[in-house]
Amino acid sequence: DTEVTQTPKHLVMGMTNKKSLKCEQHMGHRAMYWYKQKAKKPPELMFVYSYEKLSINESVPSRFSPECPNSSLLNLHLHALQPEDSALYLCASSPGQGARGYTFGSGTRLTVV
Amino acid sequence: AQSVTQLDSHVSVSEGTPVLLRCNYSSSYSPSLFWYVQHPNKGLQLLLKYTSAATLVKGINGFEAEFKKSETSFHLTKPSAHMSDAAEYFCVVSDRAGGTSYGKLTFGQGTILTVHP
Repeated sequence: DTEVTQTPKHLVMGMTNKKSLKCEQHMGHRAMYWYKQKAKKPPELMFVYSYEKLSINESVPSRFSPECPNSSLLNLHLHALQPEDSALYLCASSPGQGARGYTFGSGTRLTVV
Repeated sequence: AQSVTQLDSHVSVSEGTPVLLRCNYSSSYSPSLFWYVQHPNKGLQLLLKYTSAATLVKGINGFEAEFKKSETSFHLTKPSAHMSDAAEYFCVVSDRAGGTSYGKLTFGQGTILTVHP
């Protein structure tokens, strides 16, 4: 299995909702990442987990809460989002932090209404 | 610090003609360099990567790129464009271990490739 699987593919949520994005990989990778991509822009790093511990937080607002319950799973919990948080959220993994190969998922298209 | 500059925001070619997408980078440490392609409403697919082995890197779908340290460039080429190549392409740099940006990918702003019949 050489894929990163993200669910759901599309999500519409209100500003008072709580939802979660899920990312899963079974390649034995020990680093996992969350990126946010706005329309017509490159992806921007949000979080890096290395060996299930938060390694990098790019000053992301607390309404985004990452979680890495095990080496194969990465979640992004969402609460009280704003319409400007609407974007494509991409998950990626690599054998280790800074390793030479990064595999991206297809993303979750999030719309906040 | 690391940075990437993609010199063209849009490139338009005819089917069957060569493709050149230009990328310059800046990195404090010996970098790893990547090209990713993104089709509309899709995730990112790795085309090729340079990680200090051969400077001419061959990737999928007939793409290749040459790492030129003296010019700090990593341009992407393909001899003959196909309609299915129409997409957005990102040049990406990652510092090696020891760099302050270790583990972080820095993306260029992207180049949209249009292929005309």
